[in-house]
Amino acid sequence: NAGVMQNPRHLVRRRGQEARLRCSPMKGHSHVYWYRQLPEEGLKFMVYLQKENIIDESGMPKERFSAEFPKEGPSILRIQQVVRGDSAAYFCASSPRDASEQPQHFGDGTRLSIL
Amino acid sequence: GDSVTQMEGPVTLSEEAFLTINCTYTATGYPSLFWYVQYPGEGLQLLLKATKADDKGSNKGFEATYRKETTSFHLEKGSVQVSDSAVYFCALSQAGTALIFGKGTTLSVSS
Repeated sequence: NAGVMQNPRHLVRRRGQEARLRCSPMKGHSHVYWYRQLPEEGLKFMVYLQKENIIDESGMPKERFSAEFPKEGPSILRIQQVVRGDSAAYFCASSPRDASEQPQHFGDGTRLSIL
Repeated sequence: GDSVTQMEGPVTLSEEAFLTINCTYTATGYPSLFWYVQYPGEGLQLLLKATKADDKGSNKGFEATYRKETTSFHLEKGSVQVSDSAVYFCALSQAGTALIFGKGTTLSVSS
């Protein structure tokens, strides 16, 4: 499968635990975007990364959330001390260059449930 | 800031009916416009796109025209099928920025 790979597909955490969501972009893609989809809502941008750099994190909550895209390996979205309001579907998208004309390709998402 | 507004659903149609899902946008400059489709339990798939005014994007019988004068990008299909049942998202992107999505419109097609 040459598409964007996200894992796990489903993740259950108790309040106060940490959640780690992984995203492997399509082969040859060096731009990664994370979005969050709350129930009955559209996707909201969280963070935009290139290899080893955070380009735009204007959509990230100021606390508890962090993201990285190391030189080797997948991009990671990390949520510390999760709360019930973090329950959502988290989608990763990748593109070969910036998204002005190159469409983003989406993974199937990680559904995060907080007990 | 930039934003996308699309008609609220759900939209319920019979097979072979004509489909229109309205989408309007507010943006500075000349964004690229997209329609994405999401099937249950899956991620978003690009349906079609247009990058400049008067461009028409088309795919799988769906089409949408970038109308700068009305700031619109309405999605149309002449004859829907049951397999078209999904959630449709209109989105825009300015150069080098992330996508801004509308809230999505649920389409349900019955045979």
